Amino acid sequence: SYVLTQPPSVSVAPGKTARITCGGNNIGSKSVHWYQQKPGQAPVLVVYDDSDRPSGIPERFSGSNSGNTATLTISRVEAGDEADYYCQVWDSSSDHPRVFGGGTKLTVL
Amino acid sequence: EVQLVQSGAEVKKPGESLKISCKGSGYSFTSYWIGWVRQMPGKGLEWMGIIYPGDSDTRYSPSFQGQVTISADKSISTAYLQWSSLKASDTAMYYCARERRYSSGEVGAFDIWGQGTMVTVSS
Repeated sequence: SYVLTQPPSVSVAPGKTARITCGGNNIGSKSVHWYQQKPGQAPVLVVYDDSDRPSGIPERFSGSNSGNTATLTISRVEAGDEADYYCQVWDSSSDHPRVFGGGTKLTVL
Repeated sequence: EVQLVQSGAEVKKPGESLKISCKGSGYSFTSYWIGWVRQMPGKGLEWMGIIYPGDSDTRYSPSFQGQVTISADKSISTAYLQWSSLKASDTAMYYCARERRYSSGEVGAFDIWGQGTMVTVSS
């Protein structure tokens, strides 16, 4: 089945830019979605279809996808952005078509 | 408001059966697929399976096929996840989530999530 690889952790100072990567074989040919999960809460969709934002999600959250890497970028990071972030794709050719990455813990220093 | 509301936390013993629920409101429940996602303590998200309440078409992850049963009652806009014989390893938080679909047939993101149901299995 398709595998998505994320770094376990990323640290960033407030006001700086955080980049969280999601690696997969030719992931650029798939639509990538990103979820934010704060402690004790359900996941929330923050970016879908590589780079679109649901209503209510700040413009500071953006996404890109090319080649073998998709990236979630969080600009002007705030303390409230500290959370786990998961990427996800739909692999139509797989018997396990909905795949999540292992998650990345974003720490705001 | 579009929302999914899940049933409350459960504490069960190994070997017992369990059925948890996920009720949709604020949208046409029969027009969207509902997926189930497991999160074991301190771990990541795992897709378990998905159902289309309109006709009860159901798909399972190979990892969960035969281990759980997913069903839905469209008359009350509710999806279910059930176990016939729980194991300690089933201890986890379980989320339901609505899946977007496009007219092309392509599958989209999980855009609405339930609040989660914590299942604890312990003797």
